[in-house]
Amino acid sequence: GAVVSQHPSRVICKSGTSVKIECRSLDFQATTMFWYRQFPKKSLMLMATSNEGSKATYEQGVEKDKFLINHASLTLSTLTVTSAHPEDSSFYICSARQQGGKLFFGSGTQLSVL
Amino acid sequence: AQSVSQHNHHVILSEAASLELGCNYSYGGTVNLFWYVQYPGQHLQLLLKYFSGDPLVKGIKGFEAEFIKSKFSFNLRKPSVQWSDTAEYFCAAFYNQGGKLIFGQGTELSVKP
Repeated sequence: GAVVSQHPSRVICKSGTSVKIECRSLDFQATTMFWYRQFPKKSLMLMATSNEGSKATYEQGVEKDKFLINHASLTLSTLTVTSAHPEDSSFYICSARQQGGKLFFGSGTQLSVL
Repeated sequence: AQSVSQHNHHVILSEAASLELGCNYSYGGTVNLFWYVQYPGQHLQLLLKYFSGDPLVKGIKGFEAEFIKSKFSFNLRKPSVQWSDTAEYFCAAFYNQGGKLIFGQGTELSVKP
């Protein structure tokens, strides 16, 4: 079946540094990828929708300059948390939509900012 | 390994039929459980969640789920489905040990009018 690879699975960084998270669709082309964030004991929050070759669409309240999303190819989208701070510590998960409409999820990235 | 399994890949029902979608999770310490729905062309929406307390959880749109600890299950139910319930349903478990959110493979529900 279709697989979405998300890397890294866990990252610890110092405050002020930037962190890049990759989301790859391994055996299909993903025209659309979604980035979610989950706070402890809460449900997923959609951060942004990215379409290959165009700018990402951010949800209300999500800082575009803080969370940079690039969807340069049909198999890769990246989320860069710029100048990370402790409040950015969270679980981030991507999903990729196959051209037939089916959605597949990455395994998530636990970000801890010290 | 921490995992979530949804047994039904594709379920086809007629309107007014009852629905039960299976979800099992592997043991991995304390878990929080969720059911999400994705309607065609839309992103994920939360249907319901279980953290603690009453194992029978009621969510939006008439859905409910029952947490059975002894069976490691969190099945989703609805007494009478509607055509508008046609969607993909995802069960997910957040494992507090390790802090990982694991999704099931998803179940596609098709409701015939």
